[in-house]
Amino acid sequence: GMPVEQNPPALSLYEGADSGLRCNFSTTMKSVQWFQQNHRGRLITLFYLAQGTKENGRLKSTFNSKERYSTLHIKDAQLEDSGTYFCAAEYAQGLTFGLGTRVSVFP
Amino acid sequence: EAAVTQSPRSKVAVTGGKVTLSCHQTNNHDYMYWYRQDTGHGLRLIHYSYVADSTEKGDIPDGYKASRPSQENFSLILELASLSQTAVYFCASSEHQYEQYFGPGTRLTVL
Repeated sequence: GMPVEQNPPALSLYEGADSGLRCNFSTTMKSVQWFQQNHRGRLITLFYLAQGTKENGRLKSTFNSKERYSTLHIKDAQLEDSGTYFCAAEYAQGLTFGLGTRVSVFP
Repeated sequence: EAAVTQSPRSKVAVTGGKVTLSCHQTNNHDYMYWYRQDTGHGLRLIHYSYVADSTEKGDIPDGYKASRPSQENFSLILELASLSQTAVYFCASSEHQYEQYFGPGTRLTVL
């Protein structure tokens, strides 16, 4: 199977809602990065984690290398949170990306 | 702030033609990478380099060559462009086993 499995494929939220995205890994990863890709295609790095949990404003991410998963939590969703979110895990070389979660936030 | 730039930002090429995509970083990073993204998908690693004058194959290297003439510059070369190479190409740089910093991408259309 895919080395990086990302769920859900798509997510619809109303403004103010909270929700989460998850990536499961088929094997032990060294680190994980989370990105938001905006409507212009630009990749915006949200988090880099080698272990543990990080928070940045309304976003929070956790990486558990032993249990082989990472999560991204969006709190109080805003319209500008719309976009496609990717997790990417570091293997021996480069990053392996998930297929992404398309997030749509509605007023 | 990390800085990775790519040129051109978009390009239209003909089938069978030669295409060169360029990447420049001012991060003083040893590692540089080339990825491609197909519509509706994540990125996949084509080539990478950890030192000037040396390149390594990634997960999907067929049909691509890479060149690292200096620490700052990393090029991706399509000797004979094909329709299937239409995609968005991203360059990135990093220290070994640390966060990767991505450029803005190059949209390549092969006709």
